[in-house]
Amino acid sequence: AQSVTQLGSHVSVSEGALVLLRCNYSSSVPPYLFWYVQYPNQGLQLLLKYTSAATLVKGINGFEAEFKKSETSFHLTKPSAHMSDAAEYFCAVLQGAQKLVFGQGTRLTINP
Amino acid sequence: EAGVAQSPRYKIIEKRQSVAFWCNPISGHATLYWYQQILGQGPKLLIQFQNNGVVDDSQLPKDRFSAERLKGVDSTLKIQPAKLEDSAVYLCASSQGLGRSGELFFGEGSRLTVL
Repeated sequence: AQSVTQLGSHVSVSEGALVLLRCNYSSSVPPYLFWYVQYPNQGLQLLLKYTSAATLVKGINGFEAEFKKSETSFHLTKPSAHMSDAAEYFCAVLQGAQKLVFGQGTRLTINP
Repeated sequence: EAGVAQSPRYKIIEKRQSVAFWCNPISGHATLYWYQQILGQGPKLLIQFQNNGVVDDSQLPKDRFSAERLKGVDSTLKIQPAKLEDSAVYLCASSQGLGRSGELFFGEGSRLTVL
């Protein structure tokens, strides 16, 4: 069964610095991969998704992710962090008929 | 367009008591999900409905958890009796149906504390 592993439960960066959140997947078939964001006391919201088209995927709020088959990775990046990016980020993989399996999550803190 | 509605937002009960959570999905969304999110962990799927039929309930602790989706619209998740380890946020999500869009629309969640 497909699964994802997020490296680092907590990432802290300075405002304006590069954001890099890591996600590795395990799948015997070409995976469909997603990043979701969860702001405090809110539900999850889709940031971006990879569905076997372009390997570099652009999402909302300036985030992007690159699918690298050779590294089984789908890391999330943003060139310049903003205070409003502080949230929990979840990588997910589609398993079967629209069942999303989530990673453990990475809490992003932005330092002024 | 109205989002996924959940209630109550917060609930505190003692162990062995019962609790019920309600979810109203986005209008027209055929698929409804209940996820359990324990503090510090990612959401875990409890049950998935397609209209009013169950697609996947493999991770639902059926000795204490039950869920229904009458008429294929809103849904109720019940826990009886509750245990301490059931303390979590229960997230309801909906989508337009089978496919690979991967976009689930989540409610704000119902936070359960079991004392």
